[in-house]
Amino acid sequence: NAGVTQTPKFQVLKTGQSMTLQCAQDMNHNSMYWYRQDPGMGLRLIYYSASEGTTDKGEVPNGYNVSRLNKREFSLRLESAAPSQTSVYFCASSDFGEAVGGELFFGEGSRLTVL
Amino acid sequence: ELKVEQNPLFLSMQEGKNYTIYCNYSTTSDRLYWYRQDPGKSLESLFVLLSNGAVKQEGRLMASLDTKARLSTLHITAAVHDLSATYFCAVVAEYGNKLVFGAGTILRVKS
Repeated sequence: NAGVTQTPKFQVLKTGQSMTLQCAQDMNHNSMYWYRQDPGMGLRLIYYSASEGTTDKGEVPNGYNVSRLNKREFSLRLESAAPSQTSVYFCASSDFGEAVGGELFFGEGSRLTVL
Repeated sequence: ELKVEQNPLFLSMQEGKNYTIYCNYSTTSDRLYWYRQDPGKSLESLFVLLSNGAVKQEGRLMASLDTKARLSTLHITAAVHDLSATYFCAVVAEYGNKLVFGAGTILRVKS
């Protein structure tokens, strides 16, 4: 039972490079999310996808793009990485709206450093 | 726009003592979540509070929700070292599709 799987777990980039974080879930959830975590700031929502084929901006979308490839997969792309994007990125999926209460299930996180 | 505030942000306490972490939020919501995070790890769900007056307990942790006051508390009873972690509250926003997180409370229990 894998749950939410993210790759890569660690990545070092130089300023201006691009990269894509991959996320897949096997729980058949409609909703998927990308959060970033920075010290003292909790988790901030970058983008989310309420269902296959839809994506919406969260609190801090600038510098990122997303693709909801299918119901299972939701990728996050940094087109031109900046040092301010150094962070830990978490992908999550949820059954909000599909179950009473609903829950958010997180991947293990991807630690990104931009030099 | 929904804002979620936790306090304190850092808590150092002795083993055996009791303490409470507070979570305030700015707009109406009927669902609140508490998570635990160990250093370098992902977030682990602790409690889901679904209605006004909801109270849930697991071991030395008890969470409650007052939707009228827009306040949730996480009470720690007789703290032990194993409870050292960062605790986050999170509130559902916008049609129940997004969670907005507080900044987190770093808890250190000293023996």
